[in-house]
Amino acid sequence: GDKVKQSPSALSLQEGTNSALRCNFSIAATTVQWFLQNPRGSLMNLFYLVPGTKENGRLKSAFDSKESYSTLHIRDAQLEDSGTYFCAAEADNYAQGLTFGLGTRVSVFP
Amino acid sequence: GGIITQTPKFLIGQEGQKLTLKCQQNFNHDTMYWYRQDSGKGLRLIYYSITENDLQKGDLSEGYDASREKKSSFSLTVTSAQKNEMAVFLCASSISNERLFFGHGTKLSVL
Repeated sequence: GDKVKQSPSALSLQEGTNSALRCNFSIAATTVQWFLQNPRGSLMNLFYLVPGTKENGRLKSAFDSKESYSTLHIRDAQLEDSGTYFCAAEADNYAQGLTFGLGTRVSVFP
Repeated sequence: GGIITQTPKFLIGQEGQKLTLKCQQNFNHDTMYWYRQDSGKGLRLIYYSITENDLQKGDLSEGYDASREKKSSFSLTVTSAQKNEMAVFLCASSISNERLFFGHGTKLSVL
C-alpha cells in the first residue's frame, strides 16, 4: 500500500452528494485502473486510464502521470455506489501486473 | 462479453495440505493473474501468465505454484496451507496489462 496511497481510507456520503477519492503514486505509473468491490466481494472495473480523463455516467476519473496522482469523482451518490474503491497502477520500472492501493471504503446513506 | 469462473467458491483445508484453485476465462485474453486479498487490505500479486505455459512470479509467490495449462485456464496451488490462514484468492484476465476483469473469488479457510 505504500507504492499506491489512497485517501481517504473511508468515506460516508449522503445520497445525492458529490465526493472525490484520490490515489498518489510513488512509482512511475503509466496507466491506472479503478475498481469497485461490492459488499459481496465482486470486483468491477470502472476505468482504465492513460494520462487524461474519462467519464462514465456519474463517475469521472483523471490521471496525471507527471504529478503522480489519480482521482475518482462520484456525482449524485446513490446507495448502490457503496463498497470499496481500489485504484491500481501499472509502472514500467516496477513489478509486472498492477500495484493496488488499500482502498477507500464508501458508505452511502439515505 | 465474457466471464471468469473460479472454482471452488469456498475452500476449507487442513494445515499442511496442498490445495488447488482453478480459474477459467472465455474472454480469449492472453494474460491471466492470481491475486490474494487479506481482510482489510489491497490485492497482492501471486503469479501471472502472459500466454499458455508461461509463468511469472509476483510479489507473493513463495508458498504457491501455478500452472497455465491452456489459454483459457490458470490454476493456483497452495503448496502447504498455513494454520488459521484466511484469505480470498482472485483470478483476473486482461489483454496484455490493459483493463483487468476479475472472477468472484475463492475464499480459503485453513483449520
